[in-house]
Amino acid sequence: GAVVSQHPSWVICKSGTSVKIECRSLDFQATTMFWYRQFPKQSLMLMATSNEGSKATYEQGVEKDKFLINHASLTLSTLTVTSAHPEDSSFYICSAHPPGLAGETQYFGPGTRLLVL
Amino acid sequence: GEDVEQSLFLSVREGDSSVINCTYTDSSSTYLYWYKQEPGAGLQLLTYIFSNMDMKQDQRLTVLLNKKDKHLSLRIADTQTGDSAIYFCAEAAGYQKVTFGTGTKLQVIP
Repeated sequence: GAVVSQHPSWVICKSGTSVKIECRSLDFQATTMFWYRQFPKQSLMLMATSNEGSKATYEQGVEKDKFLINHASLTLSTLTVTSAHPEDSSFYICSAHPPGLAGETQYFGPGTRLLVL
Repeated sequence: GEDVEQSLFLSVREGDSSVINCTYTDSSSTYLYWYKQEPGAGLQLLTYIFSNMDMKQDQRLTVLLNKKDKHLSLRIADTQTGDSAIYFCAEAAGYQKVTFGTGTKLQVIP
């Protein structure tokens, strides 16, 4: 149980285009999902907390108009990188917390690698 | 803010034990975790420990927690080549705000 999927697993796009990344909880409902960004050989940086039915909470320094988050259902959150630029190239990972699960931990998706040319 | 530190690299021979260390600063941490990340993949939760525990063992994995020194370690017994990965420790006062360490790359030499 506690499986989180992401789609696509990798994407290459031209500078100036928008890219949508989906995060799904497959076998549980998640009122809260998290979006992280990971640069090569670095740790994960929390970008935002996605709340079902309400606005996302962004971490300091993350542009909300650049990284649009929509948590339309209890099993799906989307991250849209708008007007992508090469500096947005990174590994984006989402996570979710299954309610009632011991350990109070987050379960992670496999990640989406974005390359902006 | 919270800070979690790890050494960057560890190299061990297959069959030996690996010990990955982590220090953290947040004294209100309730949970401490170890995650494994293989190349190009997401994070896999290996194990976690509550802050009121000193030790937790799960098959080849042993987690030791020294709360006084804010030191966490992960011992992998009989390390295999499949254990080669990056290992992240993380701490949280609840699931909402997890702070990750810098990651330790474990290289297992056959």
